[in-house]
Amino acid sequence: GNSVTQMEGPVTLSEEAFLTINCTYTATGYPSLFWYVQYPGEGLQLLLKATKADDKGSNKGFEATYRKETTSFHLEKGSVQVSDSAVYFCALSDRGSSYKLIFGSGTRLLVRP
Amino acid sequence: KAGVTQTPRYLIKTRGQQVTLSCSPISGHRSVSWYQQTPGQGLQFLFEYFSETQRNKGNFPGRFSGRQFSNSRSEMNVSTLELGDSALYLCASSYGQGELSGNTIYFGEGSWLTVV
Repeated sequence: GNSVTQMEGPVTLSEEAFLTINCTYTATGYPSLFWYVQYPGEGLQLLLKATKADDKGSNKGFEATYRKETTSFHLEKGSVQVSDSAVYFCALSDRGSSYKLIFGSGTRLLVRP
Repeated sequence: KAGVTQTPRYLIKTRGQQVTLSCSPISGHRSVSWYQQTPGQGLQFLFEYFSETQRNKGNFPGRFSGRQFSNSRSEMNVSTLELGDSALYLCASSYGQGELSGNTIYFGEGSWLTVV
């Protein structure tokens, strides 16, 4: 079945460091891919998405490119801030059912001043 | 406009009891889905409703059920609670039939359920 694999955390960085969180997926067909962020005590917020191969999603300085050849959707940011500390989830939409999202296990990011 | 609203935000129940959680989607949204989030299993899909019809169901026992009303509000019920049901239950809504239709899915802040 479809699945998403994320790098385990926590990822600890100093402010202004470069961030990469790896995400790979297994899916039949051509799913849409997403990154969601969860701040402490809150629900999920959509960070960015890409709906087809080679699409680049971007938002708030974060970027991710849909790589079909490597089945990857790695999240990157050039300069992280303390306020970026959160848990990041990679997800895909299961085209077998129009609304179901399949999530990775989440990666906690800690940014130190 | 108001986001997805879930009530109650926090609750504590005893094993064997049942619980009902409520979700009010964003105005105009007709699709509602539910997810369970636990440290061990992560985020898992429970079920999805569109225009009062359950369109999809995850791999959960029959103790977990839900429904959607004509105003798109949704409830989920868990009967005969077990300790392992302690989790954050997230509701999400979308205007159309989720991401396939190009409509973004918006999540609520969740209901924290503790079973003791």
